[in-house]
Amino acid sequence: DTEVTQTPKHLVMGMTNKKSLKCEQHMGHRAMYWYKQKAKKPPELMFVYSYEKLSINESVPSRFSPECPNSSLLNLHLHALQPEDSALYLCASSHWDRENSPLHFGNGTRLTVT
Amino acid sequence: QKEVEQDPGPLSVPEGAIVSLNCTYSNSAFQYFMWYRQYSRKGPELLMYTYSSGNKEDGRFTAQVDKSSKYISLFIRDSQPSDSATYLCAMSGGLIQGAQKLVFGQGTRLTINP
Repeated sequence: DTEVTQTPKHLVMGMTNKKSLKCEQHMGHRAMYWYKQKAKKPPELMFVYSYEKLSINESVPSRFSPECPNSSLLNLHLHALQPEDSALYLCASSHWDRENSPLHFGNGTRLTVT
Repeated sequence: QKEVEQDPGPLSVPEGAIVSLNCTYSNSAFQYFMWYRQYSRKGPELLMYTYSSGNKEDGRFTAQVDKSSKYISLFIRDSQPSDSATYLCAMSGGLIQGAQKLVFGQGTRLTINP
């Protein structure tokens, strides 16, 4: 089990649906991340939240909308996705402003867009 | 040229062998080096985290960093079938707005044969 919990584990959605991915951590980390991982590829950074504020957006399309309601929770809202958005979506966290703090990942949500 | 190069394999070795996994990098600003293990359908799990040049050992795993050659390695002693996974190297040049922005290698798929 990881200390970063993601729900749901699997999600199938149509291109007109709206859904949300959820992530929770209780390690006191104040930096939280969303990554996208396609099969046999490394994770690609999408967003970073630092102290509940969006600090990095890697030019992600607006059909992905992140939200950080509090220091323990991170959401990714999905709307009007395309089949090519099917991937494993990973949440990660680390201490903020501490250089010797590696990222801890959840087990991801496997998303299929039909 | 990619910032981080990692041979994707696949690499197949017999049980009990010593495994050597490697990454090279081009950005001399990288200071923090991580190895993650990722099982199929799971998130990356942090194995080793190093900062300085030299060796760091944790059980059967040894991480080695040579900053002068821009080369990092992960050694696995007495390899077990349960070590079969994809191994990702990742590195960081420091904090961006308090968060780590990792650059990943492509990952090496490793199979340990009983």
